[in-house]
Amino acid sequence: DGGITQSPKYLFRKEGQNVTLSCEQNLNHDAMYWYRQDPGQGLRLIYYSQIVNDFQKGDIAEGYSVSREKKESFPLTVTSAQKNPTAFYLCASRRGGSLSYEQYFGPGTRLTVT
Amino acid sequence: AQSVTQLGSHVSVSEGALVLLRCNYSSSVPPYLFWYVQYPNQGLQLLLKYTTGATLVKGINGFEAEFKKSETSFHLTKPSAHMSDAAEYFCAVSELEKVIFGPGTSLSVIP
Repeated sequence: DGGITQSPKYLFRKEGQNVTLSCEQNLNHDAMYWYRQDPGQGLRLIYYSQIVNDFQKGDIAEGYSVSREKKESFPLTVTSAQKNPTAFYLCASRRGGSLSYEQYFGPGTRLTVT
Repeated sequence: AQSVTQLGSHVSVSEGALVLLRCNYSSSVPPYLFWYVQYPNQGLQLLLKYTTGATLVKGINGFEAEFKKSETSFHLTKPSAHMSDAAEYFCAVSELEKVIFGPGTSLSVIP
């Protein structure tokens, strides 16, 4: 059954620690995305990647880092430099070749930093 | 850059009543438009999309949307609301390699 998996569903960390959120897809999609969602603020783009070994900053990349070593994986690291990391994080993927293709979303990871 | 606006951050309807969620976009080229639904603590799920052709698009769960180029609108409707429709709804437009999302509309359904 094809789809996107994000793990874990809930993640708790102490302030000052880096944390890596996992995102895996078996849809053979070229593009992958990370969004942050805060209450009442919709989706904000953190990073995106169109092909392996290449990625671009989104609107709120400061304090985050990513890698794209494999087509099916796009992990996001929330670093200690991120001022307010507590949020709901969504990963998405999209087939390449046309702007008409929709994004597919994972179930999300809720990160709480105290 | 393209943008998406959704009029009304929160909409309440009675069960069985018409659902109308508004979406307007700005685009200088023919747009590809999407509506997504998000239930609490879950990811987004595609309801429907407009690419080319018929301007009235039917989606899942009885939803449909009409693309009106002259009004730059893509409003989402459902004839009769069900309790299970209570969720957050996002309108979105493709922009090159990215997708631009509106701020979302939270739909409440009153029994």
